[in-house]
Order: sequence, then structure tokens, then C-alpha cells
Amino acid sequence: QQQVKQSPQSLIVQKGGISIINCAYENTAFDYFPWYQQFPGKGPALLIAIRPDVSEKKEGRFTISFNKSAKQFSLHIMDSQPGDSATYFCAAESGGSNYKLTFGKGTLLTVNP
Amino acid sequence: EAEVAQSPRYKITEKSQAVAFWCDPISGHATLYWYRQILGQGPELLVQFQDESVVDDSQLPKDRFSAERLKGVDSTLKIQPAELGDSAMYLCASSQELGQPQHFGDGTRLSIL
Repeated sequence: QQQVKQSPQSLIVQKGGISIINCAYENTAFDYFPWYQQFPGKGPALLIAIRPDVSEKKEGRFTISFNKSAKQFSLHIMDSQPGDSATYFCAAESGGSNYKLTFGKGTLLTVNP
Repeated sequence: EAEVAQSPRYKITEKSQAVAFWCDPISGHATLYWYRQILGQGPELLVQFQDESVVDDSQLPKDRFSAERLKGVDSTLKIQPAELGDSAMYLCASSQELGQPQHFGDGTRLSIL
């Protein structure tokens, strides 16, 4: 059973455009939702994270939107740049499960110059 | 910025052989995680330590996999005997405490021939 569903699997955006990646979760006990960025040959790097007590969090060009009732959250990358080309993973964590991170399957983002 | 160190970066071995991976977490981080990432998928937790104690090893195939963190600092993950299906990236992550953000190393890419 996949607890965190991520879409799309891949995404192509033009430089300067907005990239949007969506995730949905099943477990209402999840209370921490991070996004990770992974470049080829590297480990995932924490990008931005949100807790369900807020509906939006912004850090620079990256914004998380969170809809608790729909059990969905999304990553928006404004003014996308070729250097943003990477695989992005959403994840969810619950204190009740020893703070174990459950990851989505990832989205391969390509930003064309 | 402090990093999680992993070695080796790459390992090629034949099936039925033994293989070991090493991880040195960020200094002072009490919690250490081993993940397996199959190509095109998100990381999946294998085992989680708090100091030298195992917190969660429910997803660790214990017939062939073992992990230890004897002094509560660095850790070793072992596979014996390796099988073709074990080919994957093995990632180590650490966090200051349970529930704190997890920081990943660059992983060990394992190929079983």
C-alpha cells in the first residue's frame, strides 16, 4: 500500500515558468511533510518542509501548499531555472511511527533553457 | 556545512558474496537511518537507530541484512549473502534527535553481478 502518492512522474518546464508537483497521503497521523531535492549521484537534500498547522510555507522561490481536509500538499517552484532540474520527492512523517519518513516515488523535473 | 559521510561510493560484487557499507553521521546526531533506494523510486527505510539502540528494523530483511551502531556514532550495514535484487543505492541519514530534519549522505551504489 503506497501511503504517499506523488504526481506527475516527470515534468518539463521552460525557464522562468512555474513547476508544480503534487502529493496525496492516506495516513491522518502524518504531521510533518518535507520535500527533498536529489541530483544524480547525490543523496536527497532537504528543500522545505511544513506541518499541518499552516496552509502555506514559502522559502525563496519554493512554496509548499497544504490542504489538510483533502490530505494533499504540493510544491511550487517559481521562476524555474535549469539548475532546478533534479528529482523531487515528497515525504510524510508521523511521531507515532518513530518519526519514520515515507517517501513518494519522485518527480523528475527538467527545466529547459 | 557538516555532512553525512558514506563509503564506499560504489561497490560491485557477485551474488552470494558479503558486502558492507559504512556511515559516519553528522557530529552530535543521535538518530541514524539506513535507507534503500531502487532506481526510479523513493528511499525506503531499512533500519533506524537512536544512539546505539535499534528503534525500528521492521523493514530490514534480517535473514541476510544486519546493522550495528556499537558506540552510538558510526554505523555499518552488512548484506550476506548478496542477491541480484539487492542492487540499489544505500543511503544513510542522520538527525539531531527523533523528529528533527533528516540529512542524507550521498549513498553507496551497489551492483550485484
